[in-house]
Amino acid sequence: DTEVTQTPKHLVMGMTNKKSLKCEQHMGHRAMYWYKQKAKKPPELMFVYSYEKLSINESVPSRFSPECPNSSLLNLHLHALQPEDSALYLCASSQTVPAGPGADTQYFGPGTRLTVL
Amino acid sequence: AQSVSQHNHHVILSEAASLELGCNYSYGGTVNLFWYVQYPGQHLQLLLKYFSGDPLVKGIKGFEAEFIKSKFSFNLRKPSVQWSDTAEYFCAVSPFNAGNNRKLIWGLGTSLAVNP
Repeated sequence: DTEVTQTPKHLVMGMTNKKSLKCEQHMGHRAMYWYKQKAKKPPELMFVYSYEKLSINESVPSRFSPECPNSSLLNLHLHALQPEDSALYLCASSQTVPAGPGADTQYFGPGTRLTVL
Repeated sequence: AQSVSQHNHHVILSEAASLELGCNYSYGGTVNLFWYVQYPGQHLQLLLKYFSGDPLVKGIKGFEAEFIKSKFSFNLRKPSVQWSDTAEYFCAVSPFNAGNNRKLIWGLGTSLAVNP
């Protein structure tokens, strides 16, 4: 099973709202990722968690706040977003390295389509 | 800087035509190579991947790709496309090192439209 689930599927929020995106995987992966994707563009890496610790933050604005409560869950807390933050937010997971070649294959969830008004 | 180049941004084919999408990367060391597909309104799915061994790898839905190390290329092929292959195709590379192997370097994608 290579399933990553994300909720909600769609989210509309105002610029003063606080909301959270959720991601879950049960593949025993210990690396989890948040990406932002604009239409017909490749995903842009935002954050990487490894063993529930933040290992990469790609200089993402502080209005995005990630959280990894346990090895299966990943949240992205949103506050005071801007209209340009409207995008598809993707979660992915992979085994951790070093675990041999191929361990970093990333499996993606369906995404949350976020619209900021 | 490491980069991935996909030569064809938009491809239009008729059903049953053959497909080849180019992907070149710039990195001198060992790499892991991936092709992902994103069907309209759907999420990214792994089509195929290469780590080592036979440079010709087969993926899902009849796709295959060939790794040519001397050309830093990993081209995607399908002998006969179907209307259902209409999608965005992304090539991605992960430079393999013993330290932090987290990041995928993505090509800009190729938009494939197959006419019935």
